[in-house]
Amino acid sequence: QLQLQESGPGLVKPSETLSLTCTVSGGSISSSRYFWVWIRQPPGRGLEWIGSIHYSGNTYYNPSLKSRVTISVDTSKNQFSLKLSSVTAADTAVFYCAAWDKVGAIPFDYWGQGSLVTVSS
Amino acid sequence: EIVMTQSPATLSVSPGERATLSCRASQSVSSNLAWYQQKPGQAPRLLIYGASTRATGIPARFSGSGSGTEFTLTISSLQSEDFAVYYCQQYINWPPVSFGQGTKVEIK
Repeated sequence: QLQLQESGPGLVKPSETLSLTCTVSGGSISSSRYFWVWIRQPPGRGLEWIGSIHYSGNTYYNPSLKSRVTISVDTSKNQFSLKLSSVTAADTAVFYCAAWDKVGAIPFDYWGQGSLVTVSS
Repeated sequence: EIVMTQSPATLSVSPGERATLSCRASQSVSSNLAWYQQKPGQAPRLLIYGASTRATGIPARFSGSGSGTEFTLTISSLQSEDFAVYYCQQYINWPPVSFGQGTKVEIK
């Protein structure tokens, strides 16, 4: 049973870079079975897929955010990370990490509890 | 990008009644459609994938149907714990994976 946990600063200044880490337990991030996913949800609004990464390093980003997003994997720590640059107040959201079982064709079955990031000076 | 449209935005239902939620895709997603439930302050929970397969531990009162562009989530007899927001998601034509805007199921 996978468990995911987001961590990172809860407050980021405008124009700076938002950085979050997701720690995976109960399984290996090097498993070929999973894509690792970031999703965000602005307060009171819906879900937006940010991007996904495979342990091999293949990354896939939402075109609407692609110019500002970097997702990476650290297999030694069983973690994957999100960087979102040049943030504005519109980037204020709860950020979730999740696991996508590509082998079993089961989307987003495991989620972290979410991390609220506020963009404000 | 495939646009997912859910209806209605809000559904008022009495406990014990049946709830029917709709999701439409702007182009065919075959059966690559999932439903999630989200309660306030919690992460979404996968209910249905492959349009009609219940995820592990999901009660039988939740059922999904449809293929192509039209999908339905049915809750056969609403329990108090089912009042929440429900999202559909397509995952065949990506990036980007896309979600609907959500349907809030509230107590009538």
